[in-house]
Amino acid sequence: GAVVSQHPSRVICKSGTSVKIECRSLDFQATTMFWYRQFPKQSLMLMATSNEGSKATYEQGVEKDKFLINHASLTLSTLTVTSAHPEDSSFYICSARGVDVGSWADEQFFGPGTRLTVL
Amino acid sequence: GENVEQHPSTLSVQEGDSAVIKCTYSDSASNYFPWYKQELGKGPQLIIDIRSNVGEKKDQRIAVTLNKTAKHFSLHITETQPEDSAVYFCAAHQAGTALIFGKGTTLSVSS
Repeated sequence: GAVVSQHPSRVICKSGTSVKIECRSLDFQATTMFWYRQFPKQSLMLMATSNEGSKATYEQGVEKDKFLINHASLTLSTLTVTSAHPEDSSFYICSARGVDVGSWADEQFFGPGTRLTVL
Repeated sequence: GENVEQHPSTLSVQEGDSAVIKCTYSDSASNYFPWYKQELGKGPQLIIDIRSNVGEKKDQRIAVTLNKTAKHFSLHITETQPEDSAVYFCAAHQAGTALIFGKGTTLSVSS
């Protein structure tokens, strides 16, 4: 099946620093990637949608200058949390959708998530 | 936009019993309804899904039913086992958009 990886799996950083999270589709070309954020004991909240080679579309309330998303290739998307603060601590999960993969054209494949802790 | 409601938020059952989780959605254009299982510290794993042209789908102990008229769908787990304990999320989707998730149900199966 289609596999999506994330790196790192967990990161701890100091307040004010920037953190980059990578999301890769390992065995398929991801035409669209999604970034979700999940706070403890809560659901996955969509942050943004990115199509390869285009600017990301952010959900209402998500600061595009704080959460920089780059989808430069069909297998890689990155989320950079700039000037991170403790309230940005969360579980960040990416997912990918591709062409000719999965049993359903719009099926999304999820990564294992990245735990970000900002001190 | 789409809004997905999920109930109950917590569910405790005895091993061997059945568990049912229900979701409703708001956008009649949604046509794909997956269910995910999430274990602590991990990403969501697809366990079963259903498309709008089907009313029911079963995979061993897991089944999903869809009522398009009422805009609700349900997850049924039979003969529950302790390893079924996890958080379960329903989601809804229409072509070209991202999945929108329900708030999740924490299922606890005690032996």
